[in-house]
Amino acid sequence: AQSVTQPDIHITVSEGASLELRCNYSYGATPYLFWYVQSPGQGLQLLLKYFSGDTLVQGIKGFEAEFKRSQSSFNLRKPSVHWSDAAEYFCAVGAAASGTYKYIFGTGTRLKVLA
Amino acid sequence: EAGVTQSPTHLIKTRGQQATLRCSPISGHTSVYWYQQALGLGLQFLLWYDEGEERNRGNFPPRFSGRQFPNYSSELNVNALELEDSALYLCASSLGQASTDTQYFGPGTRLTVL
Repeated sequence: AQSVTQPDIHITVSEGASLELRCNYSYGATPYLFWYVQSPGQGLQLLLKYFSGDTLVQGIKGFEAEFKRSQSSFNLRKPSVHWSDAAEYFCAVGAAASGTYKYIFGTGTRLKVLA
Repeated sequence: EAGVTQSPTHLIKTRGQQATLRCSPISGHTSVYWYQQALGLGLQFLLWYDEGEERNRGNFPPRFSGRQFPNYSSELNVNALELEDSALYLCASSLGQASTDTQYFGPGTRLTVL
């Protein structure tokens, strides 16, 4: 069965520091991978997605993610964090099987940014 | 282009009552998805509608139901409310039902059951 694991529940970084949020997935075929961000009390906003091709994906707000098949990972990175990046980040895998279509979300990583 | 909209923003009910939540997808999107985001539990998939039909449902009891109207808007109904139904309910829409179709989310409805 497909699954998504975000090992870090909370991460705290200083403003200007680099960031990496981890995401590991389990899926039998090539997955469709997404990163979303959720600000407090808001819905989810798509940061980036990977379907195929170049394994380094650029997204909005200066984020990027790298798909590593050998490690079943899709980690999110940002070279320099801004205070406005404080939010909760969700990794998701989309897959179609037997005529159904499902998104499976990780449990999220809450990012705190220190001034 | 207008995004996914949901109403109401907040809803307060008492145990045993029924709640109705509404969602309007992005224009041109035919698929609508409902998720429950309870504190500490992440996003749990509830229901998926496409072209007016229920395509898939998550591991929730039958008192969670919904429908999709001809204009592709959708309604989620929760009957016999229980305290643990208190959560943020998120609606998302996508252009179609392919795995590559990105889901776009609305701001959510905060349901509080007293």
